[in-house]
Parts: sequence; C-alpha cells; structure tokens
Amino acid sequence: GQQLNQSPQSMFIQEGEDVSMNCTSSSIFNTWLWYKQDPGEGPVLLIALYKAGELTSNGRLTAQFGITRKDSFLNISASIPSDVGIYFCAGQLSYGQNFVFGPGTRLSVLP
Amino acid sequence: DSGVTQTPKHLITATGQRVTLRCSPRSGDLSVYWYQQSLDQGLQFLIQYYNGEERAKGNILERFSAQQFPDLHSELNLSSLELGDSALYFCASSGTSGREDTGELFFGEGSRLTVL
Repeated sequence: GQQLNQSPQSMFIQEGEDVSMNCTSSSIFNTWLWYKQDPGEGPVLLIALYKAGELTSNGRLTAQFGITRKDSFLNISASIPSDVGIYFCAGQLSYGQNFVFGPGTRLSVLP
Repeated sequence: DSGVTQTPKHLITATGQRVTLRCSPRSGDLSVYWYQQSLDQGLQFLIQYYNGEERAKGNILERFSAQQFPDLHSELNLSSLELGDSALYFCASSGTSGREDTGELFFGEGSRLTVL
C-alpha cells in the first residue's frame, strides 16, 4: 500500500526558532493534510491542501503542496512552548478514498 | 471540539474478551474512518464507511469488524482480544459536498483500550 515518509523523525529547537518538516511519498496525492497531536488526544487538523503548488497559512503555520504532488512541507515560525507535539501529514489519493498517514515528526521546544 | 464523539474514552479488559467502540460523526458527515494508534506509533488505517457501506479496508484483523448504522454512527467490534490490541482507537469523519468527500478529516478524542 501507499506509504508516507516524514522527516525529521524528531527535532529539538529553541523557543522563537522557525521549524521546517516535510512529507514525501512515491505516490501522487490529490489532497494533503497536516495534523498536530498532543499526548493522549486526537489529532487536530491544522492545514488542508488541495492543489499542486498551493501555499496555505494558518497563523504561524504555513504548508505547501509540492509541485510533483508527491510531497508537502510544513513550516512553523517563531515557535512557542505549546507547539510541542507530534505533527502528522496525511495524503489522499482521490476524493472519497482513505487517508494515509505518515509516521509523524515529534517536536520539542526548549525554553 | 471536532464534533466527533467517541465512547468509551477508556476501557480495560482481559485477553479473550470482546469490546465495542462507538463513534458519532460530525453532524452531516457521511464518511467514518477507524484508525488504530499503538504506543508512540503512527495512525494505522483500519476501515472506512460511507453512508452505511464499507468503502475501504486497511490492515484490519479478522477478529475486528465494524459497521455504520442508518443514523450514521459507527461501531468497531474487537473480539478475542490479545495483549497487542492495546492501543488508542480513533474514529474520524469527513464532510461531504454533493456525493464527494470534501477532503478534510476530523478526529474524535479516541478510545484507549488496555488489554490485560
């Protein structure tokens, strides 16, 4: 089945720094979603992307749908302690199909 | 609050037992998805229903089954439980526009299953 790769697997940054993470696949996706999950809670949708090349922001978060449709990127600017958590990407091959999730990037923010 | 409701939040049971997890999707959402997340692992897709019918199946064990009812709520049944079935089980729903999913997935808070 389809697999998504996320990098980095984990990262430790200083408060105030910018963060970049990405998600890649060997398959072409129609939709990319980015989620944040806090321990013991359900993933929360951050950004949804529907078109190749699309760049979408949500506050300090910016995500891009890669031109090849095989990758997506998430950037967090000026990180704060509450940004700590696991960030998952998810891809959907076509509307109505199931979503495939990446293994996640674990973010730690040091004060 | 995503609007997706899952019960129970926590469940502790013994090996060999059977449990049922329940999910109410967001109002108006026709698609329901079930995912399993083991400790410190990613989200593994189990099964998807659309308007009462099974649409896609992932790595769901034969001991597991699910269904979506006419009122669109869904249940995931786990039987002959093993220690390795201990995990968080998430339900998610997706909005629809016309006959197609809108491409956004909203998760419930999950049901934490512990098998002893």
